[in-house]
Amino acid sequence: NAGVTQTPKFQVLKTGQSMTLQCAQDMNHNSMYWYRQDPGMGLRLIYYSASEGTTDKGEVPNGYNVSRLNKREFSLRLESAAPSQTSVYFCASSVFRVSGGARKTQYFGPGTRLLVL
Amino acid sequence: QKEVEQDPGPLSVPEGAIVSLNCTYSNSAFQYFMWYRQYSRKGPELLMYTYSSGNKEDGRFTAQVDKSSKYISLFIRDSQPSDSATYLCAMERGGSEKLVFGKGTKLTVNP
Repeated sequence: NAGVTQTPKFQVLKTGQSMTLQCAQDMNHNSMYWYRQDPGMGLRLIYYSASEGTTDKGEVPNGYNVSRLNKREFSLRLESAAPSQTSVYFCASSVFRVSGGARKTQYFGPGTRLLVL
Repeated sequence: QKEVEQDPGPLSVPEGAIVSLNCTYSNSAFQYFMWYRQYSRKGPELLMYTYSSGNKEDGRFTAQVDKSSKYISLFIRDSQPSDSATYLCAMERGGSEKLVFGKGTKLTVNP
């Protein structure tokens, strides 16, 4: 049981290049999230998906697109990378529990460090 | 006013000290309150959660929620160097798919 996995772990891009960050979870969770974490800014939600086939914008969606490929996978795409998108990107998934635990515990992946030059 | 405020620190304490970490919030709709721990270059992991007001204890960790004051706390007793991490508070509105995170407090426990 790997939990939440993210690829790649580290990436360097030039301004204007595109790339897709991959995320997969093997916990059968319905909801998945993409965050970015910057010094002094905390975790900011980019996009989330409450269920397969649905996606919604978070706090900072500009410059990003997402795809909920199936229940397991949720990808984040940068179409034209900018230096302002240099950050650490975290994917998370969550499950709603009626009892026996935090209602919407979010489980995080290890992160992708992205540097845009 | 931001929905969730958390002092970023950094906070440095000697081993064995009692640590107090705090967050304030402005939205009275928050019902579930969580603390995540994030080690350097790792993803956050859930440490504790509480529902509504009250205390919850788990080993050396105690989480407190005071909804009347819109204030939550995490206490760490007998702190250890392995507790050195960034601690993020997080809150959930009932029925929402999203969590609202504080910016995190960086804690260093010195041996």
